[in-house]
Amino acid sequence: DSGVTQTPKHLITATGQRVTLRCSPRSGDLSVYWYQQSLDQGLQFLIQYYNGEERAKGNILERFSAQQFPDLHSELNLSSLELGDSALYFCASSVAITGNTEAFFGQGTRLTVV
Amino acid sequence: AQTVTQSQPEMSVQEAETVTLSCTYDTSENNYYLFWYKQPPSRQMILVIRQEAYKQQNATENRFSVNFQKAAKSFSLKISDSQLGDTAMYFCAFMKLGWAGNMLTFGGGTRLMVKP
Repeated sequence: DSGVTQTPKHLITATGQRVTLRCSPRSGDLSVYWYQQSLDQGLQFLIQYYNGEERAKGNILERFSAQQFPDLHSELNLSSLELGDSALYFCASSVAITGNTEAFFGQGTRLTVV
Repeated sequence: AQTVTQSQPEMSVQEAETVTLSCTYDTSENNYYLFWYKQPPSRQMILVIRQEAYKQQNATENRFSVNFQKAAKSFSLKISDSQLGDTAMYFCAFMKLGWAGNMLTFGGGTRLMVKP
């Protein structure tokens, strides 16, 4: 158990819908990352937050947004869902954003868009 | 931008034997970290080993060791005395250091099957 909690574990929804994925980082970790793992794109970095502020943005679609709340949990919002958004979405957390900081991964949310 | 390439989509090894997974990367950075992650069927991403680019000594963690060739931008993983529990996807990853974020850039992965 990495200490990073993601909910839900599985999600099935229809095209055009909106979903919210939730992540609780390890106790004491200030940085949260979101990654998408799909068959055709592999593991891709989406976005990073540090202590409530966006720190880095990767290949995140405009239909996707995220935020980190004062209690440090994070949510990834996916809207106008398309079949191609079906993927495993990972959240990871780390203590800081520089130096030798190991990222601990949650077990992921499996999103299926039908 | 950084790129990470794993040229072996699939590999297999007999239990108790040694296997080496390859990884190459491309970057203009001088300070960075390299990682190998394991993803078993449970889907959990597990850190196997880490290498700091400024260290010349290759990292070792029990049965896992790396061969880090900075000039060649190569970072291979050697698994000794392979065990059935080593069966998993293995991802090589690069992390740039800096205040602009420390996200991971992953390779495409190598599926390793350990056979009894």
